[in-house]
Amino acid sequence: QLQLQESGPGVVKPSETLSLTCTVSGVSITTSSYYWDWIRQPPGKELEWIGSIYYSGNTYYSPSLKSRVTMSVDTSKNQFSLKLSSVTAADTAVYYCARRYVTRYFDFWGQGSLVTVSS
Amino acid sequence: QSVLTQPPSVSAAPGQKVTISCSGSNSNIGNNYVSWYQQLPGTAPKLLIYDNNKRPSGIPDRFSGSKSGTSATLGIAALQTGDEADYYCGTWDSSLSAGVFGGGTKLTVL
Repeated sequence: QLQLQESGPGVVKPSETLSLTCTVSGVSITTSSYYWDWIRQPPGKELEWIGSIYYSGNTYYSPSLKSRVTMSVDTSKNQFSLKLSSVTAADTAVYYCARRYVTRYFDFWGQGSLVTVSS
Repeated sequence: QSVLTQPPSVSAAPGQKVTISCSGSNSNIGNNYVSWYQQLPGTAPKLLIYDNNKRPSGIPDRFSGSKSGTSATLGIAALQTGDEADYYCGTWDSSLSAGVFGGGTKLTVL
């Protein structure tokens, strides 16, 4: 059974860097044609795509967040990670990791991790 | 402002059918597959429809999807109170090289 689990601090101070890791179980992160994405949802608002990484290290980032986002993958641990720098209160959201089949659909999602930006 | 446009809310009585629209452009819906997600309160989104009109295993045939040009539609028949949720459309935008979602539609089953 494929599962994704987000982990990381629940509170980050303004201007600091948000760091989250997604641990994948039940399937290899190196499976061909599958990308590993981050999506966030501010409280009471819509989904926002953040970015995507392939096991080879190729990345795609949201144009609006590109200057602050870095994604990485660790195939030995079957994990991928997100770093978002210079955070503000507007970055407070539930952060989801998800598996995406090429450009077509997200078939598995993590349960989500609430990150609050507050001093 | 989301790249894809959905109505903020729709409502219908139990047993009725409802449709939710999703409007985009040639760079996204017009040239890429559309997927739909159901988000029950307090939970992660769940894949409902993929590749415009296909249902994953376990999704009842009350849920249907279609696409025409730069728009897509989700249909839910024989509405149940358990269908009350937020519904999102999603696709890839080839010009942005980015994933995009609609603003979400809240379904109320009266």
